[in-house]
Amino acid sequence: NAGVTQTPKFQVLKTGQSMTLQCAQDMNHNSMYWYRQDPGMGLRLIYYSASEGTTDKGEVPNGYNVSRLNKREFSLRLESAAPSQTSVYFCAGRRRGEANEKLFFGSGTQLSVL
Amino acid sequence: GQQVMQIPQYQHVQEGEDFTTYCNSSTTLSNIQWYKQRPGGHPVFLIQLVKSGEVKKQKRLTFQFGEAKKNSSLHITATQTTDVGTYFCAANFGNEKLTFGTGTRLTIIP
Repeated sequence: NAGVTQTPKFQVLKTGQSMTLQCAQDMNHNSMYWYRQDPGMGLRLIYYSASEGTTDKGEVPNGYNVSRLNKREFSLRLESAAPSQTSVYFCAGRRRGEANEKLFFGSGTQLSVL
Repeated sequence: GQQVMQIPQYQHVQEGEDFTTYCNSSTTLSNIQWYKQRPGGHPVFLIQLVKSGEVKKQKRLTFQFGEAKKNSSLHITATQTTDVGTYFCAANFGNEKLTFGTGTRLTIIP
């Protein structure tokens, strides 16, 4: 089991460029999440998907779009990157209905927007 | 919006001293989870608390959930260098989302 796999691990963009962060899991997660982590601000939820075919906004959705392609994959797209989107991005998944509905995180993507 | 406050933001302790981090919510929680993130790593699940007044222990770590289910704490007894990292609480307000606290960064002075 690879767990939750994020690509790429590092990315540098110029303002206005677009890119897609990929996330795939092989843990049969029902729900998947995208968080961003900034110093002193903890982890803030961008978007989540409670099940295949559904997506919902989190705390900080502006400037992002997501796609739950199938049960395994949940991608995050920046259409026109801005310096304020410089951050570390984490994808996570979890299975509902278990005793501990814990989040399993990917290893993160460090994104810099110049 | 639904928020959870976590304090302190930073804690520096001598190796062997105790450490505590606290999370507080203004509204009742369904449950609360705790995560640890090592420097340069990703958050890793530690525990989930569900019941009012619940106390759980993992070796030197003690987790508590308040009677009103609005606050929680993580206490580490006799810290070791392996405890270094940032500890986050994650609150479940009864929906699909988990709201993370801002984290407490623990550094150990050998």
